[in-house]
Amino acid sequence: GESVGLHLPTLSVQEGDNSIINCAYSNSASDYFIWYKQESGKGPQFIIDIRSNMDKRQGQRVTVLLNKTVKHLSLQIAATQPGDSAVYFCAEKSGGSYIPTFGRGTSLIVHP
Amino acid sequence: DAGVIQSPRHEVTEMGQEVTLRCKPISGHNSLFWYRQTMMRGLELLIYFNNNVPIDDSGMPEDRFSAKMPNASFSTLKIQPSEPRDSAVYFCASSLATGQQAFFGQGTRLTVV
Repeated sequence: GESVGLHLPTLSVQEGDNSIINCAYSNSASDYFIWYKQESGKGPQFIIDIRSNMDKRQGQRVTVLLNKTVKHLSLQIAATQPGDSAVYFCAEKSGGSYIPTFGRGTSLIVHP
Repeated sequence: DAGVIQSPRHEVTEMGQEVTLRCKPISGHNSLFWYRQTMMRGLELLIYFNNNVPIDDSGMPEDRFSAKMPNASFSTLKIQPSEPRDSAVYFCASSLATGQQAFFGQGTRLTVV
């Protein structure tokens, strides 16, 4: 049979709280970063992106922060809702690469 | 726009059989990607096309896997012969240009018994 899979990091929050999902990357040459949301049974969906010449970018209820010094990326979700429950992936791309590389993902569980 | 369209949504097949997964990218997108997702290995890139030409197939696990893109609106991923360890969700994605955000289809859940 299939081996047991690795468990994803999980963040549990209450509805209405703010959520912060973190992502560490290793390639100092990475210049483009993307956050994706994947709901159960669906494909990853683009949330927000940021280029390395920025350290913050805001969308609707979401903010991405980039700290190039420590190679860290975070996604902040304001007033988290049950519909935000999903797996969140960060992806990074370096200038020498055609396509972004996906991280392992973080599972966000929002309790009503 | 209907987004990236994949078919079938679910496929159950017996070991040794040929499996063909299909993808229609978003119209006007020049790049197309095939990914495989499993609990063990996460989201893995199998192959990437640009303007219908395969650019990087280093992620294709074995010769049993092959992918084609005969035109800008259609791509296939074929597994022949299939094995139980090929069981996974296979995603197709497209992007307007290289390096830009990719739009994913709903995926094909493949089960090989």
